[in-house]
Amino acid sequence: QKEVEQDPGPLSVPEGAIVSLNCTYSNSAFQYFMWYRQYSRKGPELLMYTYSSGNKEDGRFTAQVDKSSKYISLFIRDSQPSDSATYLCAMSAGRSNYKLTFGKGTLLTVNP
Amino acid sequence: AAGVIQSPRHLIKEKRETATLKCYPIPRHDTVYWYQQGPGQDPQFLISFYEKMQSDKGSIPDRFSAQQFSDYHSELNMSSLELGDSALYFCASSLAVDPNEKLFFGSGTQLSVL
Repeated sequence: QKEVEQDPGPLSVPEGAIVSLNCTYSNSAFQYFMWYRQYSRKGPELLMYTYSSGNKEDGRFTAQVDKSSKYISLFIRDSQPSDSATYLCAMSAGRSNYKLTFGKGTLLTVNP
Repeated sequence: AAGVIQSPRHLIKEKRETATLKCYPIPRHDTVYWYQQGPGQDPQFLISFYEKMQSDKGSIPDRFSAQQFSDYHSELNMSSLELGDSALYFCASSLAVDPNEKLFFGSGTQLSVL
C-alpha cells in the first residue's frame, strides 16, 4: 500500500462547478500537507500549504487537513477552464521543504 | 521572480549511454532536490543536497550520481541508461534555514531512452 493514496480520476466538470479533490495517507508522521498543480510536461506548482490539521483558504482554493482521519482535501470554487491540470497532493514528515511524498495526482478538466 | 532552471529541457539517449542533467536553484536557495516522474506516475524523490553535501537519499539507482557545486547548482549524472529511465526529472530548491520555506520546482528535463 502506498503511503499516499489519491484517486487519479479523470475528473471532468463544467465551468463554475465546485471541485473536490482528496487524498488519504497512512504515515501518521506527516505534518506538512501541500497541493501542487501540474500542467502537462511542466514542473509542479505549489498551490496550497498547510501545517497540521485545519483549513486554509486562498482565493478560490480551500485546503482542509484532518489528521485524525488521515485525510486531506482541496476545494476549488467557481472552477475555470484554466484550472484544468493534474493536482497532486504532497506531504512531508519533517520541515515543510523536506523530501515530499506525492499522491499519483488527479487529472481535472473544466469544460467551458 | 527567478525560478528553478533546468537544462536541457529534452534529452534523447540510447541504452547504455550516459546523461547529465543540470539544475540551477532559485538565488539564495541552498538546498536542491531531485525527483523522477515516470509516465502517469507521481514524482519520486531521488536525492537532495544541502550546502554541497548530500542530505538525503531516496530511490536513486546506483547507476546515478549527483552533486551540488559551490554556486549551488546541481548535476544529476546517469550512466548505463536503461529504457526504464525514461521519465521527467525535476529539480526543486528551497532555503533550508527557513523551516517554512516552500519547495519550488523547475520545469523538468524530459529524458527519453531509446
